[in-house]
Amino acid sequence: DTAVSQTPKYLVTQMGNDKSIKCEQNLGHDTMYWYKQDSKKFLKIMFSYNNKELIINETVPNRFSPKSPDKAHLNLHINSLELGDSAVYFCASSQDRKGTYGYTFGSGTRLTVV
Amino acid sequence: AQTVTQSQPEMSVQEAETVTLSCTYDTSESNYYLFWYKQPPSRQMILVIRQEAYKQQNATENRFSVNFQKAAKSFSLKISDSQLGDTAMYFCGGSGANNLFFGTGTRLTVIP
Repeated sequence: DTAVSQTPKYLVTQMGNDKSIKCEQNLGHDTMYWYKQDSKKFLKIMFSYNNKELIINETVPNRFSPKSPDKAHLNLHINSLELGDSAVYFCASSQDRKGTYGYTFGSGTRLTVV
Repeated sequence: AQTVTQSQPEMSVQEAETVTLSCTYDTSESNYYLFWYKQPPSRQMILVIRQEAYKQQNATENRFSVNFQKAAKSFSLKISDSQLGDTAMYFCGGSGANNLFFGTGTRLTVIP
């Protein structure tokens, strides 16, 4: 059983399209996150939800919209995709907001915008 | 605000030798946690070791140990008896109020 699962693993799409990435965790964790890893491997927080409530919304274009239907799911929708959105997107979860027991990551979604 | 700095972009070590990866951090939190994550070519982020800032004792996990110097805000990772499977990017991270901040990573190559 995968603890944090993301779909799809790979996504190739044209500029201007709209796409979604889904994330689900079966760990019973309260907090979920989206991170973006750029081509230089730098990991940057994008959003964080705690029990379905948005608690972090970093400086991210409003073309990116997270949605958390319940605390086990955190999806990421991206409108009007641009070349610069190409990256690996990681979903993660933690038992609490401070990451007391660590963070569990999904396997990432490699998004390529052409 | 939280920041994490890894000053070694790349390192290499001979198989079976010991290597230390450096990390410094800054935080305004009084209660926080520090982590080392490994990212092999498979891109999966794997937790290597975790340190609770209020504990003075350095964390260890088998061949992995840390040197946590709270006053100096330093959190280095020592890998003993390096193995080929240790080849990966290593990220140092610190937990803030609501999320985990990462350094820019150190690419470690274990040489046969």
